[in-house]
Amino acid sequence: EPEVTQTPSHQVTQMGQEVILRCVPISNHLYFYWYRQILGQKVEFLVSFYNNEISEKSEIFDDQFSVERPDGSNFTLKIRSTKLEDSAMYFCASSSAFFGQGTRLTVV
Amino acid sequence: AQRVTQPEKLLSVFKGAPVELKCNYSYSGSPELFWYVQYSRQRLQLLLRHISRESIKGFTADLNKGETSFHLKKPFAQEEDSAMYYCALRVSNFGNEKLTFGTGTRLTIIP
Repeated sequence: EPEVTQTPSHQVTQMGQEVILRCVPISNHLYFYWYRQILGQKVEFLVSFYNNEISEKSEIFDDQFSVERPDGSNFTLKIRSTKLEDSAMYFCASSSAFFGQGTRLTVV
Repeated sequence: AQRVTQPEKLLSVFKGAPVELKCNYSYSGSPELFWYVQYSRQRLQLLLRHISRESIKGFTADLNKGETSFHLKKPFAQEEDSAMYYCALRVSNFGNEKLTFGTGTRLTIIP
């Protein structure tokens, strides 16, 4: 069965540092998504991506966040200058049915 | 704006007993409803979608538009059903299938 793969599984970073979370979505899918889940809270939509452009983004997805698909395979989420409140699980999804296993980001 | 409510954060049920996980939604149009399951240390998995009207692992869910509910049910709980369950609503917009999730219910099956 096809799978969405995320790396790393856990990332610890200092506040103010840049982080890049990586995802390999399912190759023949067209829409890709990032969601996040702060500990103890619900899964929240961040951004959807289609045809190398952002299709929709939430209020959470401010100027500190960016996404790209640089090589037609990897789908990355970059946080430019991390804050403590960015600590969360970040999930990549390829359509509604396929989620990655998540990256746990801890900002210290 | 759409919203999904799962009123129970925790639910414990004895093995063999019936299970019902509640989900209510608010959306002015015609949404698509889903249930996702997350077993310990595993990824979110799609369990059910209302349009397919299927039964997966003994679970069923019926969309009740009058009550705006999509409760997940299973007649006889099994120990392997212990997991986090998330109800989600999808509003399709030209292929963009953004999901709005509820807060989740942690189901524990007591042996």
